[in-house]
Amino acid sequence: EVQLVESGGGLVQPGGSLRLSCAASGFTFSSYWMHWVRQAPGKGLVWVSRINSDGSRTIYADSVKGRFTISRDNAKNTLYLQMNSLRAEDTALYYCAKSGSGSWFFDYWGQGTLASVSS
Amino acid sequence: SYVLTQPPSVSVAPGKTASITCGGNNIGSKSVHWYQQKPGQAPVLVIYYDSDRPSGIPERFSGSKSGNTATLTISRVEAGDEADYYCQVWDNISDHFYVFGTGTKVTVL
Repeated sequence: EVQLVESGGGLVQPGGSLRLSCAASGFTFSSYWMHWVRQAPGKGLVWVSRINSDGSRTIYADSVKGRFTISRDNAKNTLYLQMNSLRAEDTALYYCAKSGSGSWFFDYWGQGTLASVSS
Repeated sequence: SYVLTQPPSVSVAPGKTASITCGGNNIGSKSVHWYQQKPGQAPVLVIYYDSDRPSGIPERFSGSKSGNTATLTISRVEAGDEADYYCQVWDNISDHFYVFGTGTKVTVL
């Protein structure tokens, strides 16, 4: 059974940093592209970032480019999102998601971790 | 940036059919994927590559595409189908690459 468990969320002041983690199990983690998707309270889904299977290639939404960094440790089956220079508009539930076949959609999602940015 | 437009809400009686549309420029040339999100839960993939169904998703869920509109159809609607539904495509020109629709709240009367 595929499991994705996020952690690392919390309350941080504007300009601060958070590092999110996603522990994966139930599949060969090192074979799949992985993503972060976020959802602001009461709002829709917004894709944030993607990393390829060996961690050599990453892409970001324009809204987070230069502030967020996605990475992975295939030995630990763990995905990360380093979030710097946080803004109030980054407040959201952050989901870790596994790429489906062909990597153009998301076939499994974690339950999310909440990042709140407020003074 | 690429925009996918969905109706904000759809209401349907139990046992009837719900149709949720997803409109986007040239969507006919893109693969469309659909997700169901119940309150307080993570999204669940219900349709991928326009009309394929993941294992475990009831046959009552189907997807289609015509012209500039993709449609998720839920037949014989049940109370448990009440949720938000999102379409999604990949667009390599968009500032978000993986683009989600605006979401549709399905209410079972």
